[in-house]
Amino acid sequence: AIQMTQSPSSLSASVGDRVTITCRASVDIGNDLGWYQQKPGKAPKLLIYAASNLQSGVPSRFSGSASGTDFTLTISSLQPEDFASYYCLQDYNYPHTFGQGTRLEIK
Amino acid sequence: EVQLLESGGGLVQPGGSLRLSCAASGFTFSSSAMTWVRQVPGKGLEWVSVISDSGGSTYYADSVKGRFTISRDNPKNTLYLQMNSLRAEDTAAYYCAKDSYTTSSRYSGLDVWGLGTTVTVSS
Repeated sequence: AIQMTQSPSSLSASVGDRVTITCRASVDIGNDLGWYQQKPGKAPKLLIYAASNLQSGVPSRFSGSASGTDFTLTISSLQPEDFASYYCLQDYNYPHTFGQGTRLEIK
Repeated sequence: EVQLLESGGGLVQPGGSLRLSCAASGFTFSSSAMTWVRQVPGKGLEWVSVISDSGGSTYYADSVKGRFTISRDNPKNTLYLQMNSLRAEDTAAYYCAKDSYTTSSRYSGLDVWGLGTTVTVSS
């Protein structure tokens, strides 16, 4: 199975900060990667698909990019509602695999 | 409203079996591939299994292969996960999710999720 290495595992930031979360795939997966947000006690929510496409209804402060096997989720200006956990998911082949997650906390 | 509602979770002894259900509404279920994802309390997400829209293709995570079976009943708009030979490490919240595609048939992620159902494997 493809391994997805996500970093950092946790991150402290302030409202208004720009933050970046990274996932690295163990093999070339093209742009077949999505990003998900999960708040405590809630189901995950799709933010980005195909590495850089913003899901309908998701604020434009969220963006995704890819470079080789490295993928990045950027939040341009953190809002209070963005403090949550974030996961990448490769959908290049089966079994799909998630990164380990990043917990974004308020500084 | 597009909705997924899981049920069937509960407490089961190691080695036991359980069948989860996921009732879908608000979209054309028979045209959608469907996925199960689980999450151990306090831990990350784990992709478990997927089934194609017709039910003709299925895939599993290595951790559940040979023990879990995904299926669907399209006339009933319901997805299932039959879990056998359960282990303590299968204790988790189980979510069903809808696979989505763009108009050009490009895969575009898991766009609808249920609230989850909790499975506890313990003696």
